[in-house]
Amino acid sequence: NAGVTQTPKFQVLKTGQSMTLQCAQDMNHEYMSWYRQDPGMGLRLIHYSVGAGITDQGEVPNGYNVSRSTTEDFPLRLLSAAPSQTSVYFCASSSPGRERGYTFGSGTRLTVV
Amino acid sequence: AQSVTQPDIHITVSEGASLELRCNYSYGATPYLFWYVQSPGQGLQLLLKYFSGDTLVQGIKGFEAEFKRSQSSFNLRKPSVHWSDAAEYFCAVGATYGGSQGNLIFGKGTKLSVKP
Repeated sequence: NAGVTQTPKFQVLKTGQSMTLQCAQDMNHEYMSWYRQDPGMGLRLIHYSVGAGITDQGEVPNGYNVSRSTTEDFPLRLLSAAPSQTSVYFCASSSPGRERGYTFGSGTRLTVV
Repeated sequence: AQSVTQPDIHITVSEGASLELRCNYSYGATPYLFWYVQSPGQGLQLLLKYFSGDTLVQGIKGFEAEFKRSQSSFNLRKPSVHWSDAAEYFCAVGATYGGSQGNLIFGKGTKLSVKP
């Protein structure tokens, strides 16, 4: 089925560990974004990309890195995990234009202990 | 600054009753507005969107929303709620952020509970 695929679905990290959250879409969407969802905070934009090779920071970028080497993939890297990064992470994609809205993945629930 | 406000954190309605979830936005230009629904443990599903034309927008699952520019509002409505509508609902505006016009700014969400 076409859509946005996120892996893993669940992850527990120790403080200071690194990991990469994977995101892939098969809809040939140019726009891809990473959001984090925390209770009572809604979704906040971490990083986004408007096409392969182009990325930029969102509202809460600190502690996260991204790259976009292909149209399909947009991984999110945590270089040194902190308890404050415990959250649910959503990847989303869209074709260009604000009117399209985004298609969201099913999320990765990350716990940092 | 661009923002979205959902004034109600939690709403409880009886099954079969009507529903209205409020959303107010702050945006300088013509907004593109969305409502998403999130069931527990799931991702977000697009219910409906507005970007031009008729200010009353029909969506999936029997939902509709009305764009009122004078009130900066985009309230979500459903005439008769079903138990399966229990979920969290997010209003969002398609905004310009750092030069990109493709990103979304979300409200903090309204959790809907449905009483039998």
